[in-house]
Amino acid sequence: SAVISQKPSRDICQRGTSLTIQCQVDSQVTMMFWYRQQPGQSLTLIATANQGSEATYESGFVIDKFPISRPNLTFSTLTVSNLSPEDSSIYLCSSSTGNVYEQYFGPGTRLTVT
Amino acid sequence: GENVEQHPSTLSVQEGDSAVIKCTYSDSASNYFPWYKQELGKRPQLIIDIRSNVGEKKDQRIAVTLNKTAKHFSLHITETQPEDSAVYFCAANPRGSQGNLIFGKGTKLSVKP
Repeated sequence: SAVISQKPSRDICQRGTSLTIQCQVDSQVTMMFWYRQQPGQSLTLIATANQGSEATYESGFVIDKFPISRPNLTFSTLTVSNLSPEDSSIYLCSSSTGNVYEQYFGPGTRLTVT
Repeated sequence: GENVEQHPSTLSVQEGDSAVIKCTYSDSASNYFPWYKQELGKRPQLIIDIRSNVGEKKDQRIAVTLNKTAKHFSLHITETQPEDSAVYFCAANPRGSQGNLIFGKGTKLSVKP
């Protein structure tokens, strides 16, 4: 499986600001994904990021709030914009390598909005 | 759209006993069903998965069974150990898509020594 890293591991941000989360994979992958995990809850897919095309967002998530970049086959960023306390969550990226069904997760970014 | 239901939400067993977690899905086009284990403060780890052309898959103490007709799949852990304590999530891929996963709400498993 690929090694996936995320930066930052955690951050505390003020309401109204934005946070950009970076996800790095140690091998080239076609598909990268961004998930949100609210405290004590399950994982919810935010969007799929494919290199060379616009991200595909799931119902309830919009590009203005969660802009995503995918500049190459090993890197993606997720920005959480105009932060409110409800955005306090863990944000995880994942990717599929080789076997396109198997997904592996990064360590997550814990965001607290004050 | 796809909906994945998972039961029970919490499960407590004695060390050495078996544990079973069940999931149902709604989209008949789903064809990939992974299970993840998430320890406190850590990332979800893929522990086993099954595809729709297989009815059962085993990996040491862990097994997954799939009933396509009934649209349900289960995780079986035998000879449980305290280190099996974690939250377990099932998932399914809506529309048979490659990559997208819809997760169940999770089962918190506690194994008492």
